Amino acid sequence: AQTVTQSQPEMSVQEAETVTLSCTYDTSESDYYLFWYKQPPSRQMILVIRQEAYKQQNATENRFSVNFQKAAKSFSLKISDSQLGDAAMYFCAYRTSYGGSQGNLIFGKGTKLSVKP
Amino acid sequence: NAGVTQTPKFQVLKTGQSMTLQCAQDMNHEYMSWYRQDPGMGLRLIHYSVGAGITDQGEVPNGYNVSRSTTEDFPLRLLSAAPSQTSVYFCASSRNNRGGYEQYFGPGTRLTVT
Repeated sequence: AQTVTQSQPEMSVQEAETVTLSCTYDTSESDYYLFWYKQPPSRQMILVIRQEAYKQQNATENRFSVNFQKAAKSFSLKISDSQLGDAAMYFCAYRTSYGGSQGNLIFGKGTKLSVKP
Repeated sequence: NAGVTQTPKFQVLKTGQSMTLQCAQDMNHEYMSWYRQDPGMGLRLIHYSVGAGITDQGEVPNGYNVSRSTTEDFPLRLLSAAPSQTSVYFCASSRNNRGGYEQYFGPGTRLTVT
């Protein structure tokens, strides 16, 4: 079964600086998708960025980018120019391409990011 | 377009009571799911559905029932509430569960069982 591990329960960053959140996963599949979700204090889950495993190019969304290392099964999230509004819980998630009972999102336990002014 | 809606937002139950958490989506999504979120545990899948009339168990299904009679609605029933079911519950939907489609989440229900 696939697993997702976020080894940093909490992280802190100074406003305007860069921070990287780590995520590793375990799978025997070659075709899958990876996601980062943000959960601010409002509790709403918001998709930050997604990566298709067959794409070598790392995904980027404005200040958010990923470092996807398929062989190492690593999927880290880099937040540049951190803002106070980036303070949230961040979840890494995995989904297979094959659907059915295997197609559910598998979440890591989350990393709580604090941003210091 | 309301997205995914959940009611109620907060609920307090006594041990042994039953209740239904409501979930609806207006995006014509095939796939719907229920998660519970507990501190330090991330989101754990309770039940899911890949279409009307089709449901299946997730990682933590005990004590919960679901049904999916329409594409739009996916209620979660607590049969006999226990303190261990104190949690935040999220309903989510996506076009399907076969690829990179975004999963949209409802605002969550905070449930306390005393």
